[in-house]
Amino acid sequence: DQQVKQNSPSLSVQEGRISILNCDYTNSMFDYFLWYKKYPAEGPTFLISISSIKDKNEDGRFTVFLNKSAKHLSLHIVPSQPGDSAVYFCAASGNYGQNFVFGPGTRLSVLP
Amino acid sequence: DAGVIQSPRHEVTEMGQEVTLRCKPISGHDYLFWYRQTMMRGLELLIYFNNNVPIDDSGMPEDRFSAKMPNASFSTLKIQPSEPRDSAVYFCASSLRDTDFYEQYFGPGTRLTVT
Repeated sequence: DQQVKQNSPSLSVQEGRISILNCDYTNSMFDYFLWYKKYPAEGPTFLISISSIKDKNEDGRFTVFLNKSAKHLSLHIVPSQPGDSAVYFCAASGNYGQNFVFGPGTRLSVLP
Repeated sequence: DAGVIQSPRHEVTEMGQEVTLRCKPISGHDYLFWYRQTMMRGLELLIYFNNNVPIDDSGMPEDRFSAKMPNASFSTLKIQPSEPRDSAVYFCASSLRDTDFYEQYFGPGTRLTVT
């Protein structure tokens, strides 16, 4: 049973618009969340994190929102750029540990 | 910094053969992780080390898999004997227990094909 779900396998967005990538989790013990970006033939690259004591974290064009009651988080990219085209993974861990469970990923395509 | 280095980048082997994947973490990092990525199961944590000591190996699929970290700058993941279902991309990652504790730096991966 998947503990971390990313129900949209793919997403296409026009350059300059907002990209919203969603992630749902089932384990209420998860308290730390990460987003990674992955280009083909490369390893994942860390983007942004959020702990359960916050509901929002911002870093430049990237903002992550956490709704603990809904067990849902989302990554907003504004404005989207063609270089953002990649696969995005959501990951979660419990007890602020290092044992992260990854979602299946969402492939984002930003169209020029 | 050169980042996390993995070798080989590609490995093709026959079923039953021993396979050894290698990883050099970022200098100074005290955590090292081995992941496997497949189409069916996505990205899975296999094992991780802290200061060269295995902390959690609950993700290691079976006894055919073993991992070692003899020193702070080198780790191996061994599969013996290999099977076709082991075909996957294997990633190594490292991190430092500091302000960026949860930011794991991934290597480029080793694509393993077992025929």
